[in-house]
Amino acid sequence: DAKTTQPNSMESNEEEPVHLPCNHSTISGTDYIHWYRQLPSQGPEYVIHGLTSNVNNRMASLAIAEDRKSSTLILHRATLRDAAVYYCILRGPITGANSKLTFGKGITLSVRP
Amino acid sequence: DTEVTQTPKHLVMGMTNKKSLKCEQHMGHRAMYWYKQKAKKPPELMFVYSYEKLSINESVPSRFSPECPNSSLLNLHLHALQPEDSALYLCASSQAGQGGGRSEAFFGQGTRLTVV
Repeated sequence: DAKTTQPNSMESNEEEPVHLPCNHSTISGTDYIHWYRQLPSQGPEYVIHGLTSNVNNRMASLAIAEDRKSSTLILHRATLRDAAVYYCILRGPITGANSKLTFGKGITLSVRP
Repeated sequence: DTEVTQTPKHLVMGMTNKKSLKCEQHMGHRAMYWYKQKAKKPPELMFVYSYEKLSINESVPSRFSPECPNSSLLNLHLHALQPEDSALYLCASSQAGQGGGRSEAFFGQGTRLTVV
């Protein structure tokens, strides 16, 4: 798996936007950029993913750099429920030895009321 | 149905016991995963099954034995575990094949295992 690098932690105020960065300088052309988050005492949950273009869904937006070596997860209005560990993961074709879904350390987001 | 169901939610077992964890999904996913997660650490990949065949074993001790009896079910058989094996065990599923990267993975809520 190509490696991702994220800051250890970030703090935000409630109802303000949050930008969570991720570096993935060794990304290959077939890798999708995925974001998952894990709330306390729960399994990870999918947030968003993209390949080249920016993506929006009901949870967040994903901004992908033109060279694809970095991306940013954007939570438009942080809530207390968004306090979690956010993982940026690269996913290519799921075949044989390439089938890994590997978590890095993630970034711990704290949200202040 | 976009759920991955894991049973049991909690399990306490002795070091001489044999137990099994179960994971089930009905999304037609052909890739299934087992993870181990210790407190305040990221999930650590243990096994991957692709099209019901074991494709990845991350050098997991033989006291953990995975099984994929059909495309919807994944088991993890446990035998002679140590206290340090106490952890949250997570199951996940996703599409497999060349298009797998463009689809999301779904995770269960995990089994909290305590070895005494």
